Amino acid sequence: GENVEQHPSTLSVQEGDSAVIKCTYSDSASNYFPWYKQELGKRPQLIIDIRSNVGEKKDQRIAVTLNKTAKHFSLHITETQPEDSAVYFCAAVGSYGSSNTGKLIFGQGTTLQVKP
Amino acid sequence: GAVVSQHPSRVICKSGTSVKIECRSLDFQATTMFWYRQFPKKSLMLMATSNEGSKATYEQGVEKDKFLINHASLTLSTLTVTSAHPEDSSFYICSARRVAGIRTGELFFGEGSRLTVL
Repeated sequence: GENVEQHPSTLSVQEGDSAVIKCTYSDSASNYFPWYKQELGKRPQLIIDIRSNVGEKKDQRIAVTLNKTAKHFSLHITETQPEDSAVYFCAAVGSYGSSNTGKLIFGQGTTLQVKP
Repeated sequence: GAVVSQHPSRVICKSGTSVKIECRSLDFQATTMFWYRQFPKKSLMLMATSNEGSKATYEQGVEKDKFLINHASLTLSTLTVTSAHPEDSSFYICSARRVAGIRTGELFFGEGSRLTVL
């Protein structure tokens, strides 16, 4: 089945700096890669996603890049703010016919701390 | 739109009792719902895939007799933790896949249910 590895597990940056979180996946049939932000005790919130036919996507201060050949994708947050502090999860979803069709498999999570 | 409601948000029970958690898609139909379990400071682990009108598909290592899943309608899936024990204490989260309309295919999460077994 799909295995998603996420690094780093913790990340501390100064306000205004950029933060980068990286993930790799194992199933080449995965075709959808969302990123979630989760605050303590709350549900995960989708912040950006990318499909396998796209290499990069940007939404204001957040961007995601995907390298299908290498099977890795990254989250980039620029001009970080204290309210960006949370746990971030990457995930991969298998395409139809894969062992993980439609299933969202999460990475281990990254705790991001933005210091004011 | 695309709201998923989960109930109860918190439950405390005695060891040996059963607890039912409901997951409802409030404004869209969901033929597939997923149940996750999350331990403190850990990731979300997929437990099972709930399919409307058919048996749930459980991930490896998840006891189907322990975690009963029922998906009786296009808007409701339930997870029952049977004969709960302290090790079942966890945060359980459901998600529903939208099958039509805006944001089709996207997964929407419930608020989560924190189960504490004494």
